[in-house]
Amino acid sequence: DIVMTQSPDSLAVSLGERATISCKSSQNILYSSNNKNYLAWYQQKLGQPPKLLIYWASTRESGVPDRFSGSGSGTDFTLTITSLQVEDVAVYYCQQYYTTPRTFGQGTRVEIK
Amino acid sequence: QVQLQESGPGLVKPSQTLSLTCTVSGGSISSSNYFWSWIRQPAGKGLEWIGRIYTNDNTNYNPSLKSRVTISLDTSRNQFSLNLSSVTAADTAVYFCAREKTMTGSPYYFDYWGRGTLVTVSS
Repeated sequence: DIVMTQSPDSLAVSLGERATISCKSSQNILYSSNNKNYLAWYQQKLGQPPKLLIYWASTRESGVPDRFSGSGSGTDFTLTITSLQVEDVAVYYCQQYYTTPRTFGQGTRVEIK
Repeated sequence: QVQLQESGPGLVKPSQTLSLTCTVSGGSISSSNYFWSWIRQPAGKGLEWIGRIYTNDNTNYNPSLKSRVTISLDTSRNQFSLNLSSVTAADTAVYFCAREKTMTGSPYYFDYWGRGTLVTVSS
């Protein structure tokens, strides 16, 4: 299985400040034939299902605010929230879809400082 | 707008079979553009992919659960189902159904999720 490891486990950021979450995969998830990274990011608010934010490591899902951005390639990826809002308080997960079984990171809890 | 809704017993006894159904509305479960998955989340913990099914009844399961899992499709009702046998307390979790978007027949990310249903395994 591909192991996805996120850091930190939690972080507290002031309103309007930047939040950065790291995700590392135990093996390369860049598919060389199409040059795409098979990585998605999800946001899960308390009591709700996960919501797709980003796929192909850096493509925002329709309707997702542009303060959310994804970057990285190969085994190292980052989710950045450029100006944290109250409604961004949630747990964020990365997920690889390079192979089965699909695997998720352990989650990063983002709170307001 | 696609919606997924899980249903089934909230309490299952140890050693019995957990059975859940996901009803899809706003889109056809027979579409070749999607796979249909089950994912679970124990309280306060992370997400575990259980398995998925495609319109041709092709299934893939997580090896960690494969011996106990069956996922099936009912196209006439636009539903898919999960059976997990020989359950223990470790199977207590919120169970989500989700749609996995495909392109050229290859499944990718989960673009729609149900709200989830809590299943507790206890005598």
